[in-house]
Amino acid sequence: SQQGEEDPQALSIQEGENATMNCSYKTSINNLQWYRQNSGRGLVHLILIRSNEREKHSGRLRVTLDTSKKSSSLLITASRAADTASYFCATDEWGNDYKLSFGAGTTVTVRA
Amino acid sequence: KAGVTQTPRYLIKTRGQQVTLSCSPISGHRSVSWYQQTPGQGLQFLFEYFSETQRNKGNFPGRFSGRQFSNSRSEMNVSTLELGDSALYLCASGGTDTQYFGPGTRLTVL
Repeated sequence: SQQGEEDPQALSIQEGENATMNCSYKTSINNLQWYRQNSGRGLVHLILIRSNEREKHSGRLRVTLDTSKKSSSLLITASRAADTASYFCATDEWGNDYKLSFGAGTTVTVRA
Repeated sequence: KAGVTQTPRYLIKTRGQQVTLSCSPISGHRSVSWYQQTPGQGLQFLFEYFSETQRNKGNFPGRFSGRQFSNSRSEMNVSTLELGDSALYLCASGGTDTQYFGPGTRLTVL
């Protein structure tokens, strides 16, 4: 079974707009990671946030983590057509870094 | 560094056959994990190997097995294929904290 849920399931935005997606999980975590997947290909690692961190930035990406609510959000600013993809959050537990539990993913479509 | 490589990229088999998929991790990485991705179940953890030992196993039947060699390359095997085994099989190479994924092997069972 999957660890978490992602919201929304799908998102359609205009190029230049921001995209925000949320991830909720069920158990205590060590790290939370976000991945991108283009058209059923491999997963590309975007960003990792540790359980003792609240916010992290990488380029146009901003990730927040609220461990009290067991939730995370990914914000993509100034979206581009190349951002069209599915985005997944993945969590791992303490002492089990190499076993990831994935959410169902958010499919983002960026319209030109 | 070269990324994670998986072979073959596409595979078509018939029910009852068996299949072997291969994964070469990033140089220096000793952990290799396998995941199955289907439209219905999403991404599911299969197993993880570290230094030739299976450290973690997901909830899959015994038809799914794997191994890791001394050079960290890993193979997974699925025996007695079923239609429901059609999926994208992803291999991940483990560094410190972060898992790096290969392009996947698309398996179709007819």
